Amino acid sequence: GAGVSQTPSNKVTEKGKYVELRCDPISGHTALYWYRQSLGQGPEFLIYFQGTGAADDSGLPNDRFFAVRPEGSVSTLKIQRTERGDSAVYLCASSLGPAVGAGELFFGEGSRLTVL
Amino acid sequence: GQQVMQIPQYQHVQEGEDFTTYCNSSTTLSNIQWYKQRPGGHPVFLIQLVKSGEVKKQKRLTFQFGEAKKNSSLHITATQTTDVGTYFCAGRESSGSARQLTFGSGTQLTVLP
Repeated sequence: GAGVSQTPSNKVTEKGKYVELRCDPISGHTALYWYRQSLGQGPEFLIYFQGTGAADDSGLPNDRFFAVRPEGSVSTLKIQRTERGDSAVYLCASSLGPAVGAGELFFGEGSRLTVL
Repeated sequence: GQQVMQIPQYQHVQEGEDFTTYCNSSTTLSNIQWYKQRPGGHPVFLIQLVKSGEVKKQKRLTFQFGEAKKNSSLHITATQTTDVGTYFCAGRESSGSARQLTFGSGTQLTVLP
């Protein structure tokens, strides 16, 4: 597709369950970011991939959160043992690469996660 | 860790009035970007500033990057109802290997017709 695609758009789950959120970046974009955004807040950085590897995962809040990008394209954010505090919109963004001139981020529409 | 702060948090203006939002980083930045998020939407890139003291204009929007590369501002002249949304700055640290882009908390702009 032409833009960043995220699925599901909405996910309601119960506390303690496992959740996977998928991101399909713009074709040719080597850099991929995951952010989460709570109401009234700015996007909070979670993890950044350059190609297949996680170049910076310093934003993952704890070991319940994990993300993969096995072939350097689609990425999956995995959340184990969900807690009510995990409820937020999870945003994925891609860019051409890490170089300063290629830094514009293209965001998807987000996956809204609600943990009951 | 790096912190990016924005003020004000909220701004209500009458259509036709000017608007400014300010962004300050706790660390020196290699570049700063600005994004706009409409209600219910996702952030959309507006501009990137790289050079110390850089000023860029997009129609009624003027963006500045501070001389010390730790602060930035966005000024909108003669606001219109289409300017409604939340404006975020986002900066990347100039030192170390961090590749994350840290977003500020945003300024929510309401334009009253």
